Amino acid sequence: LAKTTQPISMDSYEGQEVNITCSHNNIATNDYITWYQQFPSQGPRFIIQGYKTKVTNEVASLFIPADRKSSTLSLPRVSLSDTAVYYCLVGLRNDYKLSFGAGTTVTVRA
Amino acid sequence: GAGVSQTPSNKVTEKGKYVELRCDPISGHTALYWYRQSLGQGPEFLIYFQGTGAADDSGLPNDRFFAVRPEGSVSTLKIQRTERGDSAVYLCASSQGGGLTGEETQYFGPGTRLLVL
Repeated sequence: LAKTTQPISMDSYEGQEVNITCSHNNIATNDYITWYQQFPSQGPRFIIQGYKTKVTNEVASLFIPADRKSSTLSLPRVSLSDTAVYYCLVGLRNDYKLSFGAGTTVTVRA
Repeated sequence: GAGVSQTPSNKVTEKGKYVELRCDPISGHTALYWYRQSLGQGPEFLIYFQGTGAADDSGLPNDRFFAVRPEGSVSTLKIQRTERGDSAVYLCASSQGGGLTGEETQYFGPGTRLLVL
């Protein structure tokens, strides 16, 4: 079972940019990288997904280098409500398992 | 009925008892996933349904765990002879298509918090 690796926690302040990097060395050719956000007592919620290069939506950007062995979620100008756990999910076709990382707890302070 | 719903929201049982956890996916979603999440950990894959069939049940920890989806919609996760180590949040997710590549966006329910005393 391949794994993803993320920092355990990150602290930030309102208005700053937060970048979270996830390592996924065993990613398969056709697999996608998806990031989810989870608040306490809730299920994870989709943030963004990408395959290669850069993807941007209204809440985040996702940077994926050419070798795809890592990815970086960028949250611009965070607010207190962005305090949550962020998971990097990589589908692993060759393993047929969905591997959530341990997650990164992001704490945004005023 | 816009999202995934799970019932009950909380379940307390005694060691050795049988429990059933229910998941109502988003209407029209063919794929359904069960995960288990322990405190401080990420969701751990248990089983994946495509329609009525279990396409991958390799994440089920042992034969005390079983899941069904008889009509391709609602799913029930069944745990026999519960143990204290089964205490966790059990999450259900559905997606429009299917697969285990992560390409399909999964929509999660709020989870069922199971406590085995």
